[in-house]
Amino acid sequence: EAGVTQFPSHSVIEKGQTVTLRCDPISGHDNLYWYRRVMGKEIKFLLHFVKESKQDESGMPNNRFLAERTGGTYSTLKVQPAELEDSGVYFCASSQVSGERNTIYFGEGSWLTVV
Amino acid sequence: ELKVEQNPLFLSMQEGKNYTIYCNYSTTSDRLYWYRQDPGKSLESLFVLLSNGAVKQEGRLMASLDTKARLSTLHITAAVHDLSATYFCAVLYMDSNYQLIWGAGTKLIIKP
Repeated sequence: EAGVTQFPSHSVIEKGQTVTLRCDPISGHDNLYWYRRVMGKEIKFLLHFVKESKQDESGMPNNRFLAERTGGTYSTLKVQPAELEDSGVYFCASSQVSGERNTIYFGEGSWLTVV
Repeated sequence: ELKVEQNPLFLSMQEGKNYTIYCNYSTTSDRLYWYRQDPGKSLESLFVLLSNGAVKQEGRLMASLDTKARLSTLHITAAVHDLSATYFCAVLYMDSNYQLIWGAGTKLIIKP
């Protein structure tokens, strides 16, 4: 079974440009989460989808960040315009509503560098 | 505000030794996770601890949870080089739905 996949794995963009990160959760997982770890800091929650609905977006840092999950499958996280402090690793995770609902599975992360 | 503190942040040890990583958290929670991350890889779920006194073991790793003390431990027995990685604990934030609050991580290097 495929795990959580993220694309791109690495990207380097200039300040002011736009980047879109994509996450494909494990098939059948209704819950999808975005987390990020900026340089030298702890991993921080960004937001949580249940299917296509945003359940909790309290961690989104500002309105330059836009997350979508159309159709309740894959999700995108767009940063526009990117700033230097956005550099870090963006993790996507997914989990089932029932069954192994206590396990949250993470992707390998998308490493973003803004120069 | 829920805070999670791990210690140590860095640990270098020889193969064959035992050691414990500690995870303290500041407010009530009923779920604690341990994850492992190899460089450039995903966060791999190791343990989910759900109740006071919970103890789980997998190979040379054993995790426990004391909800009264708000403390979890990850004990490494007879360490081997393959266990070198960064270990994170994360606590479910009770006032939200599946929001995890993370420790800073413990970078573990095991020398052959």
